[in-house]
Amino acid sequence: ETGVTQSPTHLIKTRGQQVTLRCSSQSGHNTVSWYQQALGQGPQFIFQYYREEENGRGNFPPRFSGLQFPNYSSELNVNALELDDSALYLCASSLTQFYGYTFGSGTRLTVV
Amino acid sequence: AQKVTQAQTEISVVEKEDVTLDCVYETRDTTYYLFWYKQPPSGELVFLIRRNSFDEQNEISGRYSWNFQKSTSSFNFTITASQVVDSAVYFCALSVGDTGANSKLTFGKGITLSVRP
Repeated sequence: ETGVTQSPTHLIKTRGQQVTLRCSSQSGHNTVSWYQQALGQGPQFIFQYYREEENGRGNFPPRFSGLQFPNYSSELNVNALELDDSALYLCASSLTQFYGYTFGSGTRLTVV
Repeated sequence: AQKVTQAQTEISVVEKEDVTLDCVYETRDTTYYLFWYKQPPSGELVFLIRRNSFDEQNEISGRYSWNFQKSTSSFNFTITASQVVDSAVYFCALSVGDTGANSKLTFGKGITLSVRP
């Protein structure tokens, strides 16, 4: 059984650019969530996908978008990057909330 | 709306001391789940425990124990005989509802625990 894998681990982008972060869910998990964790803060919910459909979204603007693929892997896309987008982005997969969530190690995005 | 408060921001103890990390939650839902996660410097959130709102039984796992009290909306975490490897940031989190869909986690701000040799 593999865990949750995120790529890349680190990324530096320039303000205004676009970025795509990737996540491979734990085997058999059909739900994936993305979180943004600013330095010194708790993770903030961005959105969740369940069987390829977005079914929950936090207080993030539309320039944050995502996809979930048939194999349950996922992407987070952020357009028009801003300096405040600098953070650790965490992906979490679950079968259902009854079993808790398995998190990846995250992608640390720095916007300069 | 849901809210999780971790009033302690940083705790420093000497190895072998017991330490309790506090968590207070707010929700109007009657069905909810509470979690504790550990985040070492590597960044990954490590799942420690999940508790549902209908199970107030306290739990012990090795040196870890959890005290869930609905009357005070608290879900506190105690580490007995702390070790240097326990040094990390600890998050309490809440999700509501009884289905797998739309079950986002609401996190507290975290408590940085430092255990000195």
